[in-house]
Amino acid sequence: GENVEQHPSTLSVQEGDSAVIKCTYSDSASNYFPWYKQELGKGPQLIIDIRSNVGEKKDQRIAVTLNKTAKHFSLHITETQPEDSAVYFCAASSFSWGKFQFGAGTQVVVTP
Amino acid sequence: GAVVSQHPSRVICKSGTSVKIECRSLDFQATTMFWYRQFPKQSLMLMATSNEGSKATYEQGVEKDKFLINHASLTLSTLTVTSAHPEDSSFYICSARGNMATGELFFGEGSRLTVL
Repeated sequence: GENVEQHPSTLSVQEGDSAVIKCTYSDSASNYFPWYKQELGKGPQLIIDIRSNVGEKKDQRIAVTLNKTAKHFSLHITETQPEDSAVYFCAASSFSWGKFQFGAGTQVVVTP
Repeated sequence: GAVVSQHPSRVICKSGTSVKIECRSLDFQATTMFWYRQFPKQSLMLMATSNEGSKATYEQGVEKDKFLINHASLTLSTLTVTSAHPEDSSFYICSARGNMATGELFFGEGSRLTVL
């Protein structure tokens, strides 16, 4: 089955700096890669996603890149703000098998 | 994005009792919903896949008689923790696929279960 690895497990950044989280996946059949933000005591919220026919996608301060050959994808947050502090999860899925395999999560702390 | 509502957000029960958690897709029909369990500072652990009108598919190691899942309609799935024990205390989260063609997965707000 699919296996998703996520690094780093924790990330501390100064407000205004950039944060990068990286994930690798094992199943070449995976074709959908979402990123979720989870605040304490709440359910994960979809913040951005990318499909295998696209190499990069951007939404304001958030961007995701995908390298299909290397089987890795990354989340980039620019101009970080304290409200970006949360746990971020990457995931991989295939439309054919439907399940989502999640990474272990990254605790991001943005200090003012 | 699509809205998934989960209720209750918090529940405290005595050991031996059963607890039901509801998951509703508010603005779309969800033929498939997923139930996850999350321990503190850990990732999401898939418990089962709930399909409307059919039996749920449980992941290995998850007791189907302990965690009863019912997906009676296209907008509602329920998880019942039967004969709850303190070790069942956890954060339970449901999710639903918004669109089978595009594949987005949306989560409920989660339910914190505490078994005394």
